[in-house]
Amino acid sequence: VHLVESGGGVVQPGKSVRLSCEGSGFAFFSFGMHWFRQAPGKGLEWVALIPYDASKEFYADSVRGRFTISRDNSQSMVYLQMNSLGPEDTAVYYCAKDAFKVSQVIDSWGQGTLVTVSS
Amino acid sequence: EIVMTQSPATLSVSPGERATLSCRASQSVGSNLAWYQQRPGQAPRLLLYGASIRATDVPDRFSGTGSGTEFTLTISSLQSEDCAVYYCQQYKKWPPATFGQGTRLEIK
Repeated sequence: VHLVESGGGVVQPGKSVRLSCEGSGFAFFSFGMHWFRQAPGKGLEWVALIPYDASKEFYADSVRGRFTISRDNSQSMVYLQMNSLGPEDTAVYYCAKDAFKVSQVIDSWGQGTLVTVSS
Repeated sequence: EIVMTQSPATLSVSPGERATLSCRASQSVGSNLAWYQQRPGQAPRLLLYGASIRATDVPDRFSGTGSGTEFTLTISSLQSEDCAVYYCQQYKKWPPATFGQGTRLEIK
């Protein structure tokens, strides 16, 4: 299993950024995919989940209404559109694979991409 | 939201010794508890789920016990590569599946 994130960088407050994650080495279309984040020196925070069939989307309260998760099973890609960014969104963002469809147990993680919200 | 509390915050153990890490849930999560290891500069890694089931390729020196609100991760014979932060996560009630704040394990 291999997950590779891209799209991080420095973003101005109030602006938007889109993170991408490409999965390989597994049946991407069969598993829920998540985004987590970790602020510098802090713990892990779940951000969003999209089931294998994109039938629903789930969000943490801290990002609901600002972030949108989506996926393209034909390309084995999952995305996180992040709008109205604030300094509190500064973190390493991890793409992650659910171990059992939609269980919240994570058996594979990407290497992470850093998003820094700063003027 | 279920609050997960880990103790101690930092643990220092000598190589070859046993390390015991604790995790407490604010309400019962049954056996819906996972443990993750995060080495410095790396992504997390799944160690255990179902409170006691080792993930693929996890050495058998890692073991988990508990159910309900009290859980323990034990590393039976500490090795240098076990230096990491360990997180517990409940997945009984989600969203959100919540993590503890982590226990930093140091090698003496």
